[in-house]
Amino acid sequence: ELKVEQNPLFLSMQEGKNYTIYCNYSTTSDRLYWYRQDPGKSLESLFVLLSNGAVKQEGRLMASLDTKARLSTLHITAAVHDLSATYFCAVDIGGGADGLTFGKGTHLIIQP
Amino acid sequence: GAGVSQSPSNKVTEKGKDVELRCDPISGHTALYWYRQSLGQGLEFLIYFQGNSAPDKSGLPSDRFSAERTGGSVSTLTIQRTQQEDSAVYLCASSSVRSGTQYFGPGTRLLVL
Repeated sequence: ELKVEQNPLFLSMQEGKNYTIYCNYSTTSDRLYWYRQDPGKSLESLFVLLSNGAVKQEGRLMASLDTKARLSTLHITAAVHDLSATYFCAVDIGGGADGLTFGKGTHLIIQP
Repeated sequence: GAGVSQSPSNKVTEKGKDVELRCDPISGHTALYWYRQSLGQGLEFLIYFQGNSAPDKSGLPSDRFSAERTGGSVSTLTIQRTQQEDSAVYLCASSSVRSGTQYFGPGTRLLVL
């Protein structure tokens, strides 16, 4: 059974600081996704990572994938309050047919 | 263009009643997914459709749950004889290809009293 573990599950940080969220998964994956969810809202796609060594950046967020270590990271640079949200990583092992397996999410609060 | 839409946005029902949740995927997306999000279980995959076909229904929590998709577009998730543990947010997602990025709808918040 595929397991996806995120840490930390809760993070409170100050604006301007840097931090990294980690996502470990237990079996070989076709691809890895990062999603953002605001309170009471649905999931917004941030990144899809397809191969070992993949790195993608959007604004203050950067995601990377190490398939050998079965590890993805989401790095936040110079955090701003608007990035406060819950971030989920999700793994696809069945080419879509098995759906995505999600981590429990990282609840991120950025204090002004 | 329009995103994934779901209806109703909120549903309150009494234990034992049946409910039907609807998902309208992004136009042209052949793959459609249902998930459930609850505090205790996080995000759980329920079922996947490729066109009108659902190859594997084993992710559905019990035989009270069923889903169908017609015309390769709209899908309905039906829960019969609802129980309190069915209370959750039911999310639908679609993608243009089977393993493409899944785009999520706003969800249906179901509360079973």
